[in-house]
Amino acid sequence: DGGITQSPKYLFRKEGQNVTLSCEQNLNHDAMYWYRQDPGQGLRLIYYSQIVNDFQKGDIAEGYSVSREKKESFPLTVTSAQKNPTAFYLCASSTLDSPLHFGNGTRLTVT
Amino acid sequence: GENVEQHPSTLSVQEGDSAVIKCTYSDSASNYFPWYKQELGKRPQLIIDIRSNVGEKKDQRIAVTLNKTAKHFSLHITETQPEDSAVYFCAASIQGNNDMRFGAGTRLTVKP
Repeated sequence: DGGITQSPKYLFRKEGQNVTLSCEQNLNHDAMYWYRQDPGQGLRLIYYSQIVNDFQKGDIAEGYSVSREKKESFPLTVTSAQKNPTAFYLCASSTLDSPLHFGNGTRLTVT
Repeated sequence: GENVEQHPSTLSVQEGDSAVIKCTYSDSASNYFPWYKQELGKRPQLIIDIRSNVGEKKDQRIAVTLNKTAKHFSLHITETQPEDSAVYFCAASIQGNNDMRFGAGTRLTVKP
């Protein structure tokens, strides 16, 4: 189903390489979010953006970077500085007062 | 900051039985409590939410109760079905999605 699209579904990279995860939404939502999900843990917020050209760090921003040049797009770059990048990454969007709407996620494996 | 604890981490029930998942939160200022269901390989989806001005909310077989004094809230699923099998996450927030904190999740298995 549509709404918020993450690509690719699976991503493999070598250690030391930067990698960018895509997130696009056509819901006209102002706010977008990136979460990291690890086995046995809840979702942890990496970055969020409430408006174009503005974004804020979440709880675990170290080793990650984002941009918000367009309302529809919120790409996440996992840099080589992220010490444990292998994880499942979820993008979400919302209006400021509505529940989160999630994408299907990208599973990143770094070896 | 807010801390959300969720129990149990795994729960197995027979089809038709009830399932209860409990969460506690630390910040008394939290005022919004959603529950998300995540089926294997799929996105988390909101199934029910409650705000701090009510004590209970029900939607067909799903209900959520909130005890503000004790700072805990629970998800109740009645007449469970195999398709209820999934991971369920609770969450709490004060100001909205920007400070949402999630529990670690409960893997519910409904045996036919």
